[in-house]
Amino acid sequence: EIVMTQSPLSLPVTPGEPASISCRSSQSLLHRNGYNYLDWYLQKPGQSPQLLIFLGSDRASGVPDRFSGSGSGTDFTLTISRVEAEDVGVYYCMHALESPRTFGQGTKLEIK
Amino acid sequence: QVQLQESGPGLVKPSETLSLTCTVSGGSMNGYYWSWIRQPPGKGLEWIGFIHFTGSTNYNPSLKSRVSISVDTSKNQFSLNLASVTAADTAVYYCARHSNSGTNPLDYWGQGTLVTVSS
Repeated sequence: EIVMTQSPLSLPVTPGEPASISCRSSQSLLHRNGYNYLDWYLQKPGQSPQLLIFLGSDRASGVPDRFSGSGSGTDFTLTISRVEAEDVGVYYCMHALESPRTFGQGTKLEIK
Repeated sequence: QVQLQESGPGLVKPSETLSLTCTVSGGSMNGYYWSWIRQPPGKGLEWIGFIHFTGSTNYNPSLKSRVSISVDTSKNQFSLNLASVTAADTAVYYCARHSNSGTNPLDYWGQGTLVTVSS
């Protein structure tokens, strides 16, 4: 199975400052159709995960444009341009290339 | 607005079968894939498997020998059975829908239900 590795695992951020989370996969997530099969989710405290990004860089409906995804192949990054208090929670990357779908360990973002 | 709701026993004895149902409201099950995901207390997410509305399934190999997912589109429900449970199966179990676009990401999730395996 594809192993997903996130870093850092903990991310304290000052409101208004940018934040970046790295996700690496054990094999390329670039499909022959040219798209990267990588999604990002946010699990806010006490809530179910919610979809942020799919296809590596496409924002899901209703996701603020301060969230962006980038990368290709095995290296991906989720960037928050200016962190807000409501962004706290655990961020997960997940590959969608094949079965089984696997998640990264999660990155806990907290406000300083 | 599509909504998903998990239901089932919150406590299951070791060696027994865990059974959960996910009820979908606000939309049809037709045309979509539907997944179960679990999260042990304080830990990360694990994909269990998915089912197409037609009934075809795909399971995580780590659980394949013990898991079964079924669908009843007439009731707008799909179900999870996990046999021979142990304490390691204690987790919050989520049901979710796969979007039809792009990577078929999980765009709608249930609130989750905690299942504890204990005698």
